[in-house]
Amino acid sequence: GENVEQHPSTLSVQEGDSAVIKCTYSDSASNYFPWYKQELGKGPQLIIDIRSNVGEKKDQRIAVTLNKTAKHFSLHITETQPEDSAVYFCAASRGYSTLTFGKGTMLLVSP
Amino acid sequence: NAGVTQTPKFQVLKTGQSMTLQCAQDMNHEYMSWYRQDPGMGLRLIHYSVGAGITDQGEVPNGYNVSRSTTEDFPLRLLSAAPSQTSVYFCASSRSALLSYEQYFGPGTRLTVT
Repeated sequence: GENVEQHPSTLSVQEGDSAVIKCTYSDSASNYFPWYKQELGKGPQLIIDIRSNVGEKKDQRIAVTLNKTAKHFSLHITETQPEDSAVYFCAASRGYSTLTFGKGTMLLVSP
Repeated sequence: NAGVTQTPKFQVLKTGQSMTLQCAQDMNHEYMSWYRQDPGMGLRLIHYSVGAGITDQGEVPNGYNVSRSTTEDFPLRLLSAAPSQTSVYFCASSRSALLSYEQYFGPGTRLTVT
């Protein structure tokens, strides 16, 4: 089955800095790669996703890049704000709804 | 729309007790799933359903049963609770079972088994 590795497990940045979280996947048939944000005490919420026919996708301060050859994808958050502090999960799917998640990255943004 | 709702929010069980975690969605989504979240382990899929009457096992199905008699509801049953089932449980739904779309998560149920 699919295996998704996520790094780092924790990431501390100063407000205004950029943050990068990286994931690798094992199944070359995976073609959908979402990122979820989980705030304390809540369920995860989708923040951005990318499909395998696209190399990069941006939405305001967040972007995701995908390298199919290397089987890795990354989340980039620019101009971080304290409200970006949360746990972020990457995931991979083979084209139907079943997702395999990474173990998560706790992002701490200090004012 | 209420989205995905889960009850209860918190539950404490003794070893060997049984209970059902409730999940409902009002978005007419085909796909529903149950995950457990443990510290340092991410979200692991327990069971999923691609439509009413159809369920299948995920990564960690042992000790759990599910059924899907309606599109809206997807309960998770623990027949004989064990301390290893102490976790936070999330239900999620997605509009399509065949194509990958956003999964909407409920607020979670925190279960402690003593």
